[in-house]
Amino acid sequence: EVQLLDSGGGLVQPGGSLRLSCAASGFIFSDYAMSWVRQAPGRGLEWVSGMSASSGSTYYADSVKGRFTISRDNSKNTLYLQMNSLRAEDTAVYYCAKGGAILGASYYMDVWGKGTTVTVSS
Amino acid sequence: SYELTQPPSVSVSPGQTASITCSGDKLGDKYACWYQQKPGQSPAVVIYQDTQRPSGIPERFSASNSGNTATLTISGTQAIDEADYYCQAWDSSTVVFGGGTKLTVL
Repeated sequence: EVQLLDSGGGLVQPGGSLRLSCAASGFIFSDYAMSWVRQAPGRGLEWVSGMSASSGSTYYADSVKGRFTISRDNSKNTLYLQMNSLRAEDTAVYYCAKGGAILGASYYMDVWGKGTTVTVSS
Repeated sequence: SYELTQPPSVSVSPGQTASITCSGDKLGDKYACWYQQKPGQSPAVVIYQDTQRPSGIPERFSASNSGNTATLTISGTQAIDEADYYCQAWDSSTVVFGGGTKLTVL
């Protein structure tokens, strides 16, 4: 069964850091691009970042560029999101999601984790 | 930055056809996909590459994409289809979501 298990969320103060993880199973992780998508309480979906299968290309939403870093360890079948300089507006449920082979015109996300909650508050 | 616009809400009677639109500049030149999200659940793709249904998605879900508008159509809408629906496209090296549409079946 294809599964994504996202973890690492919690309560952090403004300006703090947090690292999210997403453990993948049931598919050849290294063959697929992966993304992080977040959803603030009562709000819609917001794509945060994506990474190509080969780890050669990374992409970010303007709202997190320069503060968040996406990475992957294909030997551990794990996707990461390092979040620095956190702000109250980063409070959300963060989902990792599996996409196609590349991030591009036909990209869509066919498997999603259950999400991990990040709360930025003093 | 690229924007996708959806109506905040759509209502439909059981058994009728629901249509949810997603508008964006020259959206028809891009691929659109659609996600369904029920309360407390993760999103799930119901349409990808404009018109393709993943395995397990009922045939009552269909879609089109032309000009500036993509449309998700649910024929014979059932109570279980009540959910939030989001369109998504790719533009300028970013994934873009629409604001979401709450479909109410009443």
